Amino acid sequence: EVQLVQSGAEVKKPGESLRISCKGSGYSFSTYWVGWVRQMPGKGLEWMGLIYPGDSDTRYSPSFQGQVTISADTSIDTAYLQWSSLKASDTAIYYCVRERHLDYWGQGTLVTVSS
Amino acid sequence: EILMTQSPATLSVSPGDRATLSCRASQSVSSNLAWYQQKPGQAPRLLIFGASTRANGIPARFSGSGSGTEFTLTISSLQSEDFAIYYCQQYYNWPPITFGQGTRLDIK
Repeated sequence: EVQLVQSGAEVKKPGESLRISCKGSGYSFSTYWVGWVRQMPGKGLEWMGLIYPGDSDTRYSPSFQGQVTISADTSIDTAYLQWSSLKASDTAIYYCVRERHLDYWGQGTLVTVSS
Repeated sequence: EILMTQSPATLSVSPGDRATLSCRASQSVSSNLAWYQQKPGQAPRLLIFGASTRANGIPARFSGSGSGTEFTLTISSLQSEDFAIYYCQQYYNWPPITFGQGTRLDIK
C-alpha cells in the first residue's frame, strides 16, 4: 500500500527556520516525483513544487521559488520542505503529494507562524 | 502559467440527482487534467486523471470528460458522501502545475 506520512504540526515564530518531512512507503521512492501543496486557512490548493528523488531534479512554482527549499533523502525515502525565515503568511496546511497528477497525498502538516 | 477556471463556484444539488462541474483552461492542456475531492478536515483525494480515467477505488458514478480547454466532472446519482469541494488541476505545462479555485457541492 502506497503511503505518504508527514511530520506533525508545528508552531513557530516569525523569522524562525523549519523543515517538515514526508516519508514514502509501499513504492519505489526514487522513481516517482514527490512534492508539496499549500492550503491556507479557508482557501484553495496551491502547488509549490516537485522533486524527482532519483536525480534530485527539482521544479518550483514561480510563486514559491526562493521562498522554500524542497529536498529528498533516498536513503530513508523521505522528502522535505524547508523555510529559512518563516512569515505569518506561511501559516497553512502543507500536503505532501506524489507525481504530477497527485495520485497520493499525505495527511497534511499544519504550520502555524505567530508571534 | 495556465489559468484554470471552475464553474460554478457553488452548486446545490439534491441527493440522487446528477451534478455537472466544469473546468476551463486558459490554453490547451491536452488530456493532462485531474479532478480532486476534498471533504472538511481531510486531505484531497484523486478522483480522475488523464481527463477521464478513474483513480483506484473511485466509484463508477464519477466520470470525467473533455480535452484541450474544456472539461467536465459528472457525478451521477449523488450520495451524501459526495458533498464536498472539487478541484481541477492541469499538469500539461509545468512548472507550475495549476489548480482551479474549486467548486463547492452543497446539498439542496
